Amino acid sequence: DAKTTQPNSMESNEEEPVHLPCNHSTISGTDYIHWYRQLPSQGPEYVIHGLTSNVNNRMASLAIAEDRKSSTLILHRATLRDAAVYYCILRDRGYGQNFVFGPGTRLSVLP
Amino acid sequence: GAVVSQHPSRVICKSGTSVKIECRSLDFQATTMFWYRQFPKQSLMLMATSNEGSKATYEQGVEKDKFLINHASLTLSTLTVTSAHPEDSSFYICSARISSESYNEQFFGPGTRLTVL
Repeated sequence: DAKTTQPNSMESNEEEPVHLPCNHSTISGTDYIHWYRQLPSQGPEYVIHGLTSNVNNRMASLAIAEDRKSSTLILHRATLRDAAVYYCILRDRGYGQNFVFGPGTRLSVLP
Repeated sequence: GAVVSQHPSRVICKSGTSVKIECRSLDFQATTMFWYRQFPKQSLMLMATSNEGSKATYEQGVEKDKFLINHASLTLSTLTVTSAHPEDSSFYICSARISSESYNEQFFGPGTRLTVL
């Protein structure tokens, strides 16, 4: 599995935008970029995923670099409920692949 | 998105007993389910991949005789921790996969916290 690199932790103020970076320099052409988040004592929650183009949904936006070697998850207005560990994961679209979780980024949101 | 449930959400047991954890896909059929384990302050670690009607595939270092997985139907997989010991105390999370022609999506359960006394 191609590897991702994320900062261990980040801090944000409430109601401000948050940009969570992820580097994946060894990404292959068929790897999707996924973001999940995990709140304390809960299972991972799907946030967003993309392949080449930027993506938007009600939770967040995903900005993918043109060379696909990095991406950024954007939370437009952080709330206290967004405090979680955010995981950037690559997964090939092939059927046999599962998710391999790295350490993720622990996001703290300050009131 | 699709819903995956786990039961129980938390369990406390005595050392030496066995504990069964259920994972259900509530509104879809999952040919493949995954079991993860997460120790405090650590990331999720895949334990095994479970395919309906066949034997589970275990990751290296996971004892298949200790962690029994049964995937008897397209909506239910069970993980049984046999002869549990305190070092088995962990957060166990299951995940179920939906397959389509274009993409595979995977949804996670809420987790089961196991404490072995």
